[in-house]
Amino acid sequence: ELKVEQNPLFLSMQEGKNYTIYCNYSTTSDRLYWYRQDPGKSLESLFVLLSNGAVKQEGRLMASLDTKARLSTLHITAAVHDLSATYFCAVDHPSQGNLIFGKGTKLSVKP
Amino acid sequence: DTEVTQTPKHLVMGMTNKKSLKCEQHMGHRAMYWYKQKAKKPPELMFVYSYEKLSINESVPSRFSPECPNSSLLNLHLHALQPEDSALYLCASSHSQGSYYEQYFGPGTRLTVT
Repeated sequence: ELKVEQNPLFLSMQEGKNYTIYCNYSTTSDRLYWYRQDPGKSLESLFVLLSNGAVKQEGRLMASLDTKARLSTLHITAAVHDLSATYFCAVDHPSQGNLIFGKGTKLSVKP
Repeated sequence: DTEVTQTPKHLVMGMTNKKSLKCEQHMGHRAMYWYKQKAKKPPELMFVYSYEKLSINESVPSRFSPECPNSSLLNLHLHALQPEDSALYLCASSHSQGSYYEQYFGPGTRLTVT
């Protein structure tokens, strides 16, 4: 069965703190996607990780991919309130081409 | 232009109504997708069209009827929906169907069935 598991599912952080969201998957995919979703909005693409060892950074967010461990991480540095949103990781279905999503991590950054 | 557009943004319909959702892209993509996202859940695949032909139907009830009239357009016809069909409907497109092409998502249609 194809699975994408994220943890934690809920994350309440204080501004200025660091934290990591984890994404484990069961497929042999060597690509992984991170999306941000604000309430009532569509998905915003954050990162596309294309190969083992890939690391990408944008502002306070950094994503990495370990295809051997089938693990991706999304690291948040010095969180600010504007980062409050739900974050999804996703992988490609190996034959169908659609995306399989994790359950999402709802991040709340408090002052 | 990396934009996928969807209309309408919001739709409220009764259980006896017939309505349609529309999705459009002009990136030359030949694969288009419908996803359904219930509140506080991840998106789930409904249909995939590849080169204007239905490629995947994820056992979606027949009250949802997709249509791909040309390579740029994807419609979702709705008829006799139930309140539990209320959700955010997301359209996406990619260069081709397959696991090596990034999908681009539209802004979604928020559907409420009363």
